Amino acid sequence: EIVMTQSPATLSVSPGERATLSCRASQSVSTNLAWYQQKPGQAPRLLIYGASSRATDIPARFSGSGSGTEFTLTISSLQSEDFAVYYCQQYYNWPPLTFGPGTKVDVK
Amino acid sequence: QLQLQESGPGLVKPSETLSLTCSVSGGSISSSSYYWGWVRQPPGKGLEWIGSLSYSGSTHYNPSLESRVTISVDTSKRQFSLKLSSVTAADSAVYFCALQGVASYAFDVWGQGTMVTVSS
Repeated sequence: EIVMTQSPATLSVSPGERATLSCRASQSVSTNLAWYQQKPGQAPRLLIYGASSRATDIPARFSGSGSGTEFTLTISSLQSEDFAVYYCQQYYNWPPLTFGPGTKVDVK
Repeated sequence: QLQLQESGPGLVKPSETLSLTCSVSGGSISSSSYYWGWVRQPPGKGLEWIGSLSYSGSTHYNPSLESRVTISVDTSKRQFSLKLSSVTAADSAVYFCALQGVASYAFDVWGQGTMVTVSS
C-alpha cells in the first residue's frame, strides 16, 4: 500500500498571500496524483489531477507540481473561499487508492 | 452534467449490514468512461476509499474492508449500491459516492454524502 503524507497539518495564511502545501508518497506514483478541496459539511472537490492539470472550472490561482514522491499544491493568492482542508490522493498503484491525512488552511 | 445522490438508513445496529444507494442523474450510468466508487469519512477525520466498480463489472475493494464490502450496479434504476456487513461503531462515517474517471482515476464527481451511525 502506498502511504501518503501531507505537511503541514495546518497552514495559517492571510488573504491575498501565497499558500504552499506539500504531499509525499511512500513510493513513486509518477504523476498519478490528485488534489481535492473540502469545506465543512461539503463533499471534496477535485482541483488537480495528473499532478498538474486543473480540473474543470478550477481557478488558475490553483497549481500543482511534482512527480515521483514529492508534490506541491500552490494557491497563488488566497481568497476567502479557499480556506478549507486539502487532500492529496494517489491512483498509481491500486487497490487501494490512498489519500493523505489533509492540510487545513486557515486564516492567519 | 452528471449528479450523484446517496440514500439509505442513517442508523444501523452493530453486526448488521449497512446498505446505501447512489442515484445517478444527468448522464448515462452505463458509460464506460467511469468507475463508480464509494469513499467514507469518519467525523473529524480524513477520507478512506472503500471500493470501485467499473462498467464492465470489475470491482476493486480496499483490502482493509474487502471481506465485508460489496458494490453493485442496477443500470435499469440508474443506481449503484454499497453493502458493508458486520458493522461496528468504527464504521460510523459520512459515506460519499463518487465517479472515478478512467482517464485519470481521480474522483471528479461526488455526491453530497450521507452520515451513517452504527449504534444499538
